[in-house]
Amino acid sequence: GAVVSQHPSRVICKSGTSVKIECRSLDFQATTMFWYRQFPKQSLMLMATSNEGSKATYEQGVEKDKFLINHASLTLSTLTVTSAHPEDSSFYICSALLDRADTQYFGPGTRLTVL
Amino acid sequence: AQTVTQSQPEMSVQEAETVTLSCTYDTSESNYYLFWYKQPPSRQMILVIRQEAYKQQNATENRFSVNFQKAAKSFSLKISDSQLGDTAMYFCAFYNAGNMLTFGGGTRLMVKP
Repeated sequence: GAVVSQHPSRVICKSGTSVKIECRSLDFQATTMFWYRQFPKQSLMLMATSNEGSKATYEQGVEKDKFLINHASLTLSTLTVTSAHPEDSSFYICSALLDRADTQYFGPGTRLTVL
Repeated sequence: AQTVTQSQPEMSVQEAETVTLSCTYDTSESNYYLFWYKQPPSRQMILVIRQEAYKQQNATENRFSVNFQKAAKSFSLKISDSQLGDTAMYFCAFYNAGNMLTFGGGTRLMVKP
């Protein structure tokens, strides 16, 4: 149990375009989901906390207008990278909080490459 | 704010041997959770083991066990009978309700045949 999917696994886009990444909790409901960014050989960096039915909470230094987060249901959160630029190229990982266990379960990640 | 420190950037172990990964943390909270996550080359973060701070008994999951020393704020992971598939980056993490999951810098473990 506690499976989280993420789609797409890989995306390549042109500079200036927008990219949407989906994160789904497959076998549990998650009122809270998280979005992380991971640079090579580094730990995960929290970008934002996504709460179902309310606005996301962004970490300091993360542009909320650039990284749009929507958590419209208890099983789905989306991250949209707007007007992507090469410096946005990275590995993005989502997680969903299993409330009864206070444990985050992670999606498989999305590698974004902006040309 | 909580901090998590993993003092071993890289470790290696022979297949079938035992290895221990270190983790220390700093917090003023009394109720919290500690985790070890594994990130293999696929980069999927996998939960290895979970410990609730109010439980004195050390968590175990098959070949994985922890040594949780609350007073010392230490949370080490022991991997017994190491397998090639255990090769991965291991992250220690701290969480208390309502706050963010705080990760250590990671330990890269290589299991050698």
